[in-house]
Amino acid sequence: GESVGLHLPTLSVQEGDNSIINCAYSNSASDYFIWYKQESGKGPQFIIDIRSNMDKRQGQRVTVLLNKTVKHLSLQIAATQPGDSAVYFCAENIRETSGSRLTFGEGTQLTVNP
Amino acid sequence: GAVVSQHPSWVICKSGTSVKIECRSLDFQATTMFWYRQFPKQSLMLMATSNEGSKATYEQGVEKDKFLINHASLTLSTLTVTSAHPEDSSFYICSARRFRDRDEKLFFGSGTQLSVL
Repeated sequence: GESVGLHLPTLSVQEGDNSIINCAYSNSASDYFIWYKQESGKGPQFIIDIRSNMDKRQGQRVTVLLNKTVKHLSLQIAATQPGDSAVYFCAENIRETSGSRLTFGEGTQLTVNP
Repeated sequence: GAVVSQHPSWVICKSGTSVKIECRSLDFQATTMFWYRQFPKQSLMLMATSNEGSKATYEQGVEKDKFLINHASLTLSTLTVTSAHPEDSSFYICSARRFRDRDEKLFFGSGTQLSVL
C-alpha cells in the first residue's frame, strides 16, 4: 500500500555543492526507475531514468545509481544550483499482467542556498 | 519532448457540483493515461489507469462512481469529480504513456488544483 506522510524529508545544500537524494523502493519486480523533479504547483518533470539491468546512468550534471540488492536508488546532482530547488521523487515501474504502473516514492525537498 | 496538456490548471467549485478535468496528448497517441492525486507535502498517489476504448482500472480505495474516467480517443482522457466535497480538494495530475522505438516513457500534464468550497 501507499505510505502517507505528513511532511517531506528535506535536504539543504550550498550552491555549488553536490547533492545526493536517496530512495528505497519496495517491489523486486520493478524493471524501470525514474527520477522526477517537481516545482511548486507544477507537474513532475523527467530528470533521468534507469533500467533494472543497469546499476549506473549519467546525464548532464545528474547520475542515478541503482542497487537492486538492497532496493535502493540514488540521484546525484553535481554543482547544485538554486534552480535545482524543488521536490524530487523516485518512481518505480511495476509490470503486471494487466499492464505496467508507475508508483512514486515519498519525495525529498531540496533547498539550495546561494 | 512530448507534450501533455491538462486543463484547467485550477478550478474552484461549490460543494456538490461536478468538475471535469481534461488531459490531452498533443503530439502522440496514448492508449494509456494515468490519473494521480497529490495532497500538500505528499507524494503522487495513483488513482486509476485510463485505457482508450475500455473501462478504467481503479486503485484500491478509489471510488469509481465518484471519479469518472473517460478515454474516448487516443489523445484525450477526462476525469470527472462528481458531487465534489471539500475533502476532494487536491492537486490532480495526469500522465500519458508514449511508445516509440520499442521504448516507453510517461509524460505528465501540469496538474489541476481543485478547491471545493
